Amino acid sequence: QKEVEQNSGPLSVPEGAIASLNCTYSDRGSQSFFWYRQYSGKSPELIMFIYSNGDKEDGRFTAQLNKASQYVSLLIRDSQPSDSATYLCAVIGYSSASKIIFGSGTRLSIRP
Amino acid sequence: DAGVTQSPTHLIKTRGQQVTLRCSPKSGHDTVSWYQQALGQGPQFIFQYYEEEERQRGNFPDRFSGHQFPNYSSELNVNALLLGDSALYLCASSLGQGNRDTQYFGPGTRLTVL
Repeated sequence: QKEVEQNSGPLSVPEGAIASLNCTYSDRGSQSFFWYRQYSGKSPELIMFIYSNGDKEDGRFTAQLNKASQYVSLLIRDSQPSDSATYLCAVIGYSSASKIIFGSGTRLSIRP
Repeated sequence: DAGVTQSPTHLIKTRGQQVTLRCSPKSGHDTVSWYQQALGQGPQFIFQYYEEEERQRGNFPDRFSGHQFPNYSSELNVNALLLGDSALYLCASSLGQGNRDTQYFGPGTRLTVL
């Protein structure tokens, strides 16, 4: 079992709709959760971080964390073509200090 | 406020050679982590430097080594290059080593081994 799992996609969403990206993790003691966006050929860019159960909103982005289910998600409202990218879920485990474990990413495509 | 910088941008080497990649952290940050990202994969943790010492290491062979300087900048060295070392090498900086210290990535160095 991979430590952080994501559906590789591609996930195709019409412009203006809500894109929902999901991630599961294996370390039940994980402390911190991140979503990074990565455009082709570029480095990851931090979008959101979340530490506590529940929802965290920042503009069009909402991160959701459910530690009991070991599940974290990212919702993108009013999707724009510029949101087309690979989204990386990343987790810091209980015993790994600040070592980030990444999923392999979900490719998101926003169709006009 | 300068972000994380890396050099060089691209590098082409042949098998068996050695390479050094460089990273300057974001202003105010004191911790540098290095990651390797193969095509189509998420970044894989190589190691982390704090206070000029390697604090954590991922599952990478000893051919991968590093250094952190007093100004917090860092180098990644890879010896005896293999074809499989071809990847995007990412440096990330943060303030401190805590598990809530957000890491910010530099633009990366694309290494091609022929």
